[in-house]
Amino acid sequence: RKEVEQDPGPFNVPEGATVAFNCTYSNSASQSFFWYRQDCRKEPKLLMSVYSSGNEDGRFTAQLNRASQYISLLIRDSKLSDSATYLCAVKGATGTASKLTFGTGTRLQVTL
Amino acid sequence: DAGVTQSPTHLIKTRGQQVTLRCSPKSGHDTVSWYQQALGQGPQFIFQYYEEEERQRGNFPDRFSGHQFPNYSSELNVNALLLGDSALYLCASSFQGYYGYTFGSGTRLTVV
Repeated sequence: RKEVEQDPGPFNVPEGATVAFNCTYSNSASQSFFWYRQDCRKEPKLLMSVYSSGNEDGRFTAQLNRASQYISLLIRDSKLSDSATYLCAVKGATGTASKLTFGTGTRLQVTL
Repeated sequence: DAGVTQSPTHLIKTRGQQVTLRCSPKSGHDTVSWYQQALGQGPQFIFQYYEEEERQRGNFPDRFSGHQFPNYSSELNVNALLLGDSALYLCASSFQGYYGYTFGSGTRLTVV
């Protein structure tokens, strides 16, 4: 089983739609969770951290379910500029022994 | 405030050759991680350096080696290149492994 799993998509949605991505992780000791956005042939950029209580940043909402070991990202009112690959990332522990493990990414295409 | 810088941006090598990729972390960051990202995949963790030592290593052969210098910059060396080593190589920095990482724009390596 992969450490971090995502549906690769692609998700094709019209502008203005709401879209949700899920990600599951296998290591129950994982401590930190993130969503990254990666545009075609570019580096991943941190979109948001995911906190236990859930957190929101504008049109983006992230949720963490430790019991079921999954995290989610909800994008409301999708824009054309949201088209990208969204990578889920999980870190095992804080400090220098940590490594960030990524899923394969979910591709989102927002259309007119 | 300079972000993570990587060099070169693109590289073409022949099978069997050796390559060295370079990374300068973001100002204030002391931990450097290297990732390999094949087309259509998420970034795969190669190794992480902190205090000039390899702290953690992913599932990569010994052909992949690295180094961190006293100024926190880092090199990734790959010996005996294979066609399958063709990928985007990403460097990410952080402060002692905390929080999300900041990525450089990567080095695109093509092995022919």
